[in-house]
Amino acid sequence: EDKVVQSPLSLVVHEGDTVTLNCSYEVTNFRSLLWYKQEKKAPTFLFMLTSSGIEKKSGRLSSILDKKELFSILNITATQTGDSAIYLCAVVWSNYQLIWGAGTKLIIKP
Amino acid sequence: GAVVSQHPSRVICKSGTSVKIECRSLDFQATTMFWYRQFPKKSLMLMATSNEGSKATYEQGVEKDKFLINHASLTLSTLTVTSAHPEDSSFYICSATLAHLPTDTQYFGPGTRLTVL
Repeated sequence: EDKVVQSPLSLVVHEGDTVTLNCSYEVTNFRSLLWYKQEKKAPTFLFMLTSSGIEKKSGRLSSILDKKELFSILNITATQTGDSAIYLCAVVWSNYQLIWGAGTKLIIKP
Repeated sequence: GAVVSQHPSRVICKSGTSVKIECRSLDFQATTMFWYRQFPKKSLMLMATSNEGSKATYEQGVEKDKFLINHASLTLSTLTVTSAHPEDSSFYICSATLAHLPTDTQYFGPGTRLTVL
């Protein structure tokens, strides 16, 4: 059965810490993997990953995909309270449908 | 875990016709369901919030007469795109939650790709 598993489910750290969020998948017909940040009305798109080993960066956030070991990580360095959110990972099938992880709830304490 | 399904997964229709998309929570009762539209650059736009037994709340700029939402039960919400036009072609995603706010944990469906010819 195709599935996407995110870990940890929740995480509490202090401002300034670095966090690593994990997304592992068992999906046939993999097309790409998406990361979203959910804090307001709609999840905000962060990254799309299609190739192994190529790091994508946006400010303090970065992500990488390993298609051999079937996982992706999302790193956030020098965390701020504004990074508090639920981070979602979704795998895109070849037919463009999505399989979503349950999300990681990240809380950054001042 | 909580599972949300959508049907159909893909639909192609002619301009001017109406299309209904179903969103079901399979193993839980959803207080609230949300409908999103995904754009080519993967961003998601919230279209409306739907609570069982009451009228949907539409986001600004979303035509409620064009995108009809019905939330008949705690496990089913439907989105009907009326008089569809090619610009309505998109990927529509629903999500369901046990709570009331978009900021609470949502369980997302796999999406429905609509192509209007």
